[in-house]
Amino acid sequence: AQTVTQSQPEMSVQEAETVTLSCTYDTSESDYYLFWYKQPPSRQMILVIRQEAYKQQNATENRFSVNFQKAAKSFSLKISDSQLGDAAMYFCAYRSAGGGADGLTFGKGTHLIIQP
Amino acid sequence: NAGVTQTPKFQVLKTGQSMTLQCAQDMNHNSMYWYRQDPGMGLRLIYYSASEGTTDKGEVPNGYNVSRLNKREFSLRLESAAPSQTSVYFCASRFYRDNQPQHFGDGTRLSIL
Repeated sequence: AQTVTQSQPEMSVQEAETVTLSCTYDTSESDYYLFWYKQPPSRQMILVIRQEAYKQQNATENRFSVNFQKAAKSFSLKISDSQLGDAAMYFCAYRSAGGGADGLTFGKGTHLIIQP
Repeated sequence: NAGVTQTPKFQVLKTGQSMTLQCAQDMNHNSMYWYRQDPGMGLRLIYYSASEGTTDKGEVPNGYNVSRLNKREFSLRLESAAPSQTSVYFCASRFYRDNQPQHFGDGTRLSIL
């Protein structure tokens, strides 16, 4: 079974600064997908960014980017120019590839605080 | 622009009562999922349905049953609710193509006294 570990229960950053959230995972599979989801106080689960393991290029979505290190099984999220609206819980998630309907395996989350 | 709709949004039950959580998606997705989220935890998979007519157990299926009523709807039933099932429940769906992400409903907060 796969496991996902987020070692930072809480992170704090000044508005407009850059912050990096860490995620490591354990798997014996070679093909899989990784995701970062944002959960604001409204409880919605919002997809931030995704990475396909077979792609070497790191995914980027506007101010959000990842550092995907497949050999190290590491998948960190970098948020540039932090905004107050970025305050939320952030969850790293893993899903097997291969055409099945497997669900996501989540980490326990990192609570991100934005200081004005 | 509904996406994934869960009903109800909140519910309080007494121990031993039964309850069905409803989920419907209007995105023509093939696969549907039920997760639970407990304080300090990420979401954990309860059951999933790869396609209409099929269901499979996830990580924490005990105490739950599911029904994939049709392509749109996937319900979660608690036959005899227990306080340990107090949680926030999320339904999600996904298109069959491998690289497609899951889309989540807004969750149901369920309290069992």
